[in-house]
Amino acid sequence: DQQVKQNSPSLSVQEGRISILNCDYTNSMFDYFLWYKKYPAEGPTFLISISSIKDKNEDGRFTVFLNKSAKHLSLHIVPSQPGDSAVYFCAATRRNAGNMLTFGGGTRLMVKP
Amino acid sequence: DADVTQTPRNRITKTGKRIMLECSQTKGHDRMYWYRQDPGLGLRLIYYSFDVKDINKGEISDGYSVSRQAQAKFSLSLESAIPNQTALYFCATSFGIADTQYFGPGTRLTVL
Repeated sequence: DQQVKQNSPSLSVQEGRISILNCDYTNSMFDYFLWYKKYPAEGPTFLISISSIKDKNEDGRFTVFLNKSAKHLSLHIVPSQPGDSAVYFCAATRRNAGNMLTFGGGTRLMVKP
Repeated sequence: DADVTQTPRNRITKTGKRIMLECSQTKGHDRMYWYRQDPGLGLRLIYYSFDVKDINKGEISDGYSVSRQAQAKFSLSLESAIPNQTALYFCATSFGIADTQYFGPGTRLTVL
């Protein structure tokens, strides 16, 4: 059973608008969450992260929100740009248990010019 | 030059063949990982190594083996490849207890 789920396999948005990518998890022991971005023919690259002691972390156009009670996190991209078109993976880990990452299935974001 | 390299980038092989995928890193990281990516399932951990003498099974280690030849090199072997091992394989590295992992470009393996 997948402990980290991204229920939307794809998302299409217009350039300049907000992109919201969602992620749900089931393991309440996870205490650190990361988002990775993947372009075709490349490996995933780290984008942004959040600790479970926070509910928001912002880095430029990217903001991650964490709702621990709902076991839900989301990545907001504002404004979206065509170069943001990629597959986005949510990942979760337990920091005091080896830092192994558990990944969601990914969401393909397409930003239309 | 890329910090994490994988060879080969693409490989087509037949059922029953032995295959080795190689990973090298110049980041000086102590921890290395092998993942496979399948559509809709994200990345799943096959094996990981915290240092040269430390090898651990991940979520889906059956049918795979690994070797950590040096701090900078971590290879993945399929002793007898089968079609359901067709996937995209990624090597990753990290330093100490840091959470961020750095990924190689991937190897696309097709088993016929």
